[in-house]
Amino acid sequence: DTGVSQDPRHKITKRGQNVTFRCDPISEHNRLYWYRQTLGQGPEFLTYFQNEAQLEKSRLLSDRFSAERPKGSFSTLEIQRTEQGDSAMYLCASSPPHPDIGETQYFGPGTRLLVL
Amino acid sequence: KQEVTQIPAALSVPEGENLVLNCSFTDSAIYNLQWFRQDPGKGLTSLLLIQSSQREQTSGRLNASLDKSSGRSTLYIAASQPGDSATYLCAVRPWKNRDDKIIFGKGTRLHILP
Repeated sequence: DTGVSQDPRHKITKRGQNVTFRCDPISEHNRLYWYRQTLGQGPEFLTYFQNEAQLEKSRLLSDRFSAERPKGSFSTLEIQRTEQGDSAMYLCASSPPHPDIGETQYFGPGTRLLVL
Repeated sequence: KQEVTQIPAALSVPEGENLVLNCSFTDSAIYNLQWFRQDPGKGLTSLLLIQSSQREQTSGRLNASLDKSSGRSTLYIAASQPGDSATYLCAVRPWKNRDDKIIFGKGTRLHILP
């Protein structure tokens, strides 16, 4: 098991462009989470999948953001018409089915986005 | 709305000292509380997880305590080393049936001086 992986690790784009990030969770983990972390802040929850179903979306996830997990395995996070305020680290995490109260979420290395 | 606060925001101590990082949360209805470590530009590594029914957890030189009724947790690091330099994040998992999100504090940036 190689852990949660994210691709790309770094992305530089110009304002107005669209970007897409990918997250591959730990195999057998059916729960997948996206968080966003800006400089000097803790990660903030964006959205959560159980299998292919998107069960919760934060108000931080504007209409320009869309996340998918079509086959219940990997997930993509797309940002359309990027803005400079979108510059952040985008973190993905996964957890196993029916996590008990003692179960952690396992985080990937993150994708750092810089919008020029 | 659950809020997590960490004090101090930054801390520098000489190598070898024992230190305490503080975390407070506003709603005591939590499943668990976790302490994470984050190195610059990297993802998060879980250090300790305390279930709501527990009072403390220990791993090596780290000890985390939880006082759920007062909404407080501390992370104690013994005999600090330069390799401990990182940002330490406190996070709680709220007590809701389908809400699995973790709510994080802003972190404490720790620098151990050699």
